[in-house]
Amino acid sequence: SQQGEEDPQALSIQEGENATMNCSYKTSINNLQWYRQNSGRGLVHLILIRSNEREKHSGRLRVTLDTSKKSSSLLITASRAADTASYFCATDGDDKIIFGKGTRLHILP
Amino acid sequence: DGGITQSPKYLFRKEGQNVTLSCEQNLNHDAMYWYRQDPGQGLRLIYYSQIVNDFQKGDIAEGYSVSREKKESFPLTVTSAQKNPTAFYLCASSILLGYAEAFFGQGTRLTVV
Repeated sequence: SQQGEEDPQALSIQEGENATMNCSYKTSINNLQWYRQNSGRGLVHLILIRSNEREKHSGRLRVTLDTSKKSSSLLITASRAADTASYFCATDGDDKIIFGKGTRLHILP
Repeated sequence: DGGITQSPKYLFRKEGQNVTLSCEQNLNHDAMYWYRQDPGQGLRLIYYSQIVNDFQKGDIAEGYSVSREKKESFPLTVTSAQKNPTAFYLCASSILLGYAEAFFGQGTRLTVV
């Protein structure tokens, strides 16, 4: 069972532009996390937002959470070539960390 | 250096063989997880463990087995009963089950030959 569903599945933008990806989930959560995965590598944790938080920042990352709509968004500002990766949201469903299918982000030079 | 280590990075298995993937962490984390990732797909949970000598099935446990005899180690065995084992396998750990960030290993790519 996959709790989170990212949208869009793939996104290509020019370097320097902002990238926004969304995550919707089905059941109530305690927290929601975003991870990045470079091709063929393990996942790297980006940010965790708790259910009582609405927005969180970390460097060029901004995450929002709307528990009434069961959705979250990840904004990457001033994108760089190194941001090319897959991005996953993860929720704590039934005490497990459950991942969505991810958004593949490609930054064009 | 604290971290989580998976080995080997690449593994080839003949049909009908069991193979064991290693996962070791020195982060003193209680919770450990195994995920399977197929090309272009998300992560699907195979097994997870909250404490030593305890583990639970995830969404796709059939054809896999695990053990948790030590806090640091959570090996995954892919048995011959797993019909389509070719995939990328990721191990992760976290302080608490489900409530904290997970740290991932670099993965093991298993191919059936």
